[in-house]
Amino acid sequence: DQQVKQNSPSLSVQEGRISILNCDYTNSMFDYFLWYKKYPAEGPTFLISISSIKDKNEDGRFTVFLNKSAKHLSLHIVPSQPGDSAVYFCALRPYSSNTGKLIFGQGTTLQVKP
Amino acid sequence: DAGVIQSPRHEVTEMGQEVTLRCKPISGHDYLFWYRQTMMRGLELLIYFNNNVPIDDSGMPEDRFSAKMPNASFSTLKIQPSEPRDSAVYFCASSLGDRAPSGANVLTFGAGSRLTVL
Repeated sequence: DQQVKQNSPSLSVQEGRISILNCDYTNSMFDYFLWYKKYPAEGPTFLISISSIKDKNEDGRFTVFLNKSAKHLSLHIVPSQPGDSAVYFCALRPYSSNTGKLIFGQGTTLQVKP
Repeated sequence: DAGVIQSPRHEVTEMGQEVTLRCKPISGHDYLFWYRQTMMRGLELLIYFNNNVPIDDSGMPEDRFSAKMPNASFSTLKIQPSEPRDSAVYFCASSLGDRAPSGANVLTFGAGSRLTVL
């Protein structure tokens, strides 16, 4: 039973436009929400995170939004660049899991066209 | 630091054979994780260790899977016997746990081992 779902397997956007990646989860037992980016033949790398006590966190072109009532997480990339083309995973940390144990979604493949 | 190092990068084997995947975590990291990536399920946690001790192996799919961490700098994931449905990319990751500077305890992943079982 998937606790974390990324319902869009793929997304294609034009360079310079906004990319919006979405993630839904099924219960409220998480205190941190993260996004990882993965290029082909490489491991996932940490991109940005947000605590459950916040609803927005920004880092340059990347902004993560958290809507706890809707159990929805999103990542906005503005402006999108061809180098952003990768697989994006959302990941959730269960409460009191100070180990680094994360629950990941299935991933969304983003293609940014020049 | 060279990061998390995994070997082999690619493994092609026949059904029934034993497969051993290897991982060297980042020096000083207390936690080591084995994840498996498939199209359907994304990244699934198989097992994780703290200070070389297995803490949670509830994600290990079957008894055919086993993992060990004999010391702080080495871990193995073994599949015996392997089956075609085990074909996936297996990632090792490590973290500082609660000693991490940020509250999110970010994981550092290796490049993965792509396993194909024919």
